Parts: sequence; structure tokens; C-alpha cells
Amino acid sequence: DADVTQTPRNRITKTGKRIMLECSQTKGHDRMYWYRQDPGLGLRLIYYSFDVKDINKGEISDGYSVSRQAQAKFSLSLESAIPNQTALYFCATSDSGGPTGTQYFGPGTRLLVL
Amino acid sequence: QKEVEQNSGPLSVPEGAIASLNCTYSDRVSQSFFWYRQYSGKSPELIMSIYSNGDKEDGRFTAQLNKASQYVSLLIRDSQPSDSATYLCAVNSHGGATNKLIFGTGTLLAVQP
Repeated sequence: DADVTQTPRNRITKTGKRIMLECSQTKGHDRMYWYRQDPGLGLRLIYYSFDVKDINKGEISDGYSVSRQAQAKFSLSLESAIPNQTALYFCATSDSGGPTGTQYFGPGTRLLVL
Repeated sequence: QKEVEQNSGPLSVPEGAIASLNCTYSDRVSQSFFWYRQYSGKSPELIMSIYSNGDKEDGRFTAQLNKASQYVSLLIRDSQPSDSATYLCAVNSHGGATNKLIFGTGTLLAVQP
């Protein structure tokens, strides 16, 4: 079984709709992250969480919100989807801060906003 | 200036050759550096991490770090068609205190059979 799972894997939605992307992990990591990937722009950090009570904005948090329901679950919501949120979204986890932390990625969710 | 810069490629090398991928970064206090491989439509997977100046070897892969020049590279020896992918350089920002990674936009490597 995969250590980091994301649901759904693909989603098509319409402008203005609210959608939620979910991430679960069995690695026992405290830290979880949401990224989006666009062609030519690389991976950009949306939100990150270092534990259940800690939520932090990344570089492109506008238009997104998150919820850390448990150590193993971190959800990303688009309150009112718009076409430029069409992208590939990745969840990632890590088990430590400091210089030795390594991030492990889920399989991704491909989102299309019409 | 971007925080982490990579040549987007494509870098084309013949099978069996050495592929050299380069990355520069702007934050002088960065302490840890990573190379991820990403096949088209798939998630990034970690290949190498390096924290000290010099070379680190793992099988066909060698990571090289030069903090004075703010430069990190990845060498792939005996390149195989299965190595064809986008290689992402990532740097742990802000002295490593937060474990936030800053990614480059990636270099597309194409290994020709």
C-alpha cells in the first residue's frame, strides 16, 4: 500500500464550485505539505502543517484553505474554483525539520477547472 | 533572481554517456540539498540528498555541492533510457529551520538509445 495517498486522482469541476482534495499518510510523519505544479513554474508551496495545531501559508495560499483533521490527514479546499487553479496538486510529508528533512510525495491530483 | 535555478533543457545524451545536471541557489544559509526525479505525470521521488561540500555517490548517481559557489550538481553515469525524466533540484530554505523546500523548475533529461 502507498504511504501517501491522495483522493481524487483526477477531478473536473466548474468555475465557482467548492472542492476538496484529500491527503492521507501512513508514514507517521508530523509534517505535511500541499504543492501545485504548473508547466514551466515548477512546484510551488500552497500550505504546510507541522502538527495538528499548526497551519502555515506557503507562497501561493490565496484562494485555498486547508484542514489538518489528524496527524495522518491534511485536506486542501478551493472555496470557489477558478480556471487558473487548473494544475497538478501534490501532497507531501516529512518526519523532521532541520537540515536532514526529506519530503515524500503522494501520487498527485490532476484538477481541471472549466 | 529565482531562488533555485535550473536549465530547463531538454538535455539530450546518448545511452551510456554521463549526464550532468546543474543547479544554482541564492540563499547562502541553505544547508540541505536534494535531487528529485519526476517521470511525466508522476510524483517526484527522491534520488539524492547532500549536506556537505564535496561529492556524494550512490550507485550511478553522484551529487556534488559547492556552497561557496552556491552550486549543486547531479551526475548520472552510464545513462539509460529509463533515466529519461525531469530532474528537480530542491533547497532547504532559511537555514533549514522550517524544512520548507524551494524547488527549481526542473531539467528535462532525454537519454537516446
